[in-house]
Amino acid sequence: QVQLVESGGGVVQPGGSLRLSCAASGFTFSSFGMHWVRQAPGKGLEWVAFIRSDESNKNYADSVKGRFTISRDNSKNTVYLQMNSLRTEDTAVYYCGNGIYYMDIWGKGTTVTVSS
Amino acid sequence: DIQMTQSPSSVSASVGDRVTITCRASQDIRVWLAWYQQKPGKAPNLLIYAASSLQSGVPSRFSGSGSGTDFTLTISSLQPEDFATYYCQQANSFPYTFGQGTKLEIK
Repeated sequence: QVQLVESGGGVVQPGGSLRLSCAASGFTFSSFGMHWVRQAPGKGLEWVAFIRSDESNKNYADSVKGRFTISRDNSKNTVYLQMNSLRTEDTAVYYCGNGIYYMDIWGKGTTVTVSS
Repeated sequence: DIQMTQSPSSVSASVGDRVTITCRASQDIRVWLAWYQQKPGKAPNLLIYAASSLQSGVPSRFSGSGSGTDFTLTISSLQPEDFATYYCQQANSFPYTFGQGTKLEIK
């Protein structure tokens, strides 16, 4: 069964850090690029970051560049999102998705709340 | 960055209606466009990729067209399960961007 499962969300104070994980199963993870996409409460989708299958290319939204880092461990079929210097506007459900250009498979999301 | 603008922001329609949603890019994105459907509390679901290719398992009443800067998603005959929010996404260049969404509601 093809699936992605996100974890690591929670409540954090402004300026804090959090690391999200996305575990993949049911497909050849090492062959696929991976994305993070977020959705603030009541808002639309915002693309956050992308990493190629071999980590040779990483890209970020302007809103998170310099604060967030995407990485992956193909031996563990997992992609990560390290989030530092968190702001209240980073509060959202964070989804991971597979694919290079489009997100074919999505996880159910993990919720990040940045609040004092 | 490429801006994606959807219209309308919301639309009311009835079961059996034909509905068209438009997405405009701020610059030429060739056919690097996808459409997603999202239901409340759920992850998005890929419907159309490369502007007009139907994702496996998606009903044939969904279709996409366009190239360059103007794109459309058409649902030929609305079914009850189609009432949801729809997003376009450009994949021509990073940073990828989504449209603001179109909420399809029951009339």
